[in-house]
Formats: sequence, C-alpha cells, structure tokens
Amino acid sequence: RKEVEQDPGPFNVPEGATVAFNCTYSNSASQSFFWYRQDCRKEPKLLMSVYSSGNEDGRFTAQLNRASQYISLLIRDSKLSDSATYLCVVGVNNAGNMLTFGGGTRLMVKP
Amino acid sequence: DVKVTQSSRYLVKRTGEKVFLECVQDMDHENMFWYRQDPGLGLRLIYFSYDVKMKEKGDIPEGYSVSREKKERFSLILESASTNQTSMYLCASSLGGNGGELFFGEGSRLTVL
Repeated sequence: RKEVEQDPGPFNVPEGATVAFNCTYSNSASQSFFWYRQDCRKEPKLLMSVYSSGNEDGRFTAQLNRASQYISLLIRDSKLSDSATYLCVVGVNNAGNMLTFGGGTRLMVKP
Repeated sequence: DVKVTQSSRYLVKRTGEKVFLECVQDMDHENMFWYRQDPGLGLRLIYFSYDVKMKEKGDIPEGYSVSREKKERFSLILESASTNQTSMYLCASSLGGNGGELFFGEGSRLTVL
C-alpha cells in the first residue's frame, strides 16, 4: 500500500462545477498536510496547508480527517484556470525530507 | 520571489555517461532537495542538504550523488547513467529547520538512451 494515495483521475468537470478530491495516508504519526498544484510541464507550487480544523482560501477548502486518515480538497465554482494536477503531501513534520508526495489527481475544467 | 533555477530543462544522454544537474536558489535557503517525478509514483526524494557540504540520503539515493559546495548551489550527479534514470528531476529549497513550503525549480527532463 502506498503511503499517500490519490485517485489519478482525470476529473473532467464543466466550468462552475464543484469538485472534491480525497487523499488517504497510511502513517498515523503524520502531522503536516499540504496541497500543491502542478500545471502541465511546470513545477509544483504550494496551494494551501491543511489544518486540523479545516481551512478555506477563496474557492478552495481543505479538510483533515485524522480518524480515517484522509485529507480533502474542495474547489467551488471551477474555472478553466483550475485545470492542473493536485498533489497531496503528508509529513511527520514540516521538514522537506519527511514529506511524502501522492501521485497527484488531474483536474480538467471544460468550458 | 524565491527563484530556483535548474541549469538544463531537457537533456539526452547515453547509457554510462556521467550527468550533472545543477540547481541554484537565490533566497539564502538552508535546505535544498533533489526529487525525481515519475508518472503514478509521485515525487520521490533522492538526496537533501541542510547546510553547505552536508548531504543526507533520501528514499532513493542509489545511482546518484550530490554536491553542495556553496549555500546557493546543489548539484545532482549520475556517475553512470542508466535507462531507468530517465525521469523528470526537480530541485527544491526551503528555509532552515522545519522549513515548511518547498520552492521548486522548473525541472530537468532527462532521457537516457
């Protein structure tokens, strides 16, 4: 079983739709959770950290469920520019060497 | 803005050749990392460094070495390239300690024939 698992997709949604991705992790000692975004042929960039109480940044909402060991990302009112691969990142702390990346979920938003 | 620059975007090498991938960051970050990214496998950590001349193995160090002679520069070396090292290589940097956000370079796509 992979340490961090994501549905690779692609998720094909129309503009304006709401879409949600889940990511499961196997290490119960995990303390740090992030979503990174990676555009086609580009480098990953931090989208948002995920906090225990859940957090929101504009159209994006991240949630953490420690009991079931998953995090989620909800995107409301999808834009064409949201088309990208979303990487789930989990770590036992924030140090780069202790982070594990999921394989990514590809989102395609269509007009 | 943090800038992480990788010297080559695309390289084609032959089996057995020595390959150097260079990475430079301009934000005085202590931490630097080399990952490789393969479809379905996510990013996997090859080596990292928390200080000049310091290096630590990541999850998949076999077949690779690194060099950090200056704080801003972190080099990845493939002593004898093999076809299974064909991949996208990503360099990243972060602040010292529990640095948090990783800043990535644009990547170097290496093909080994």
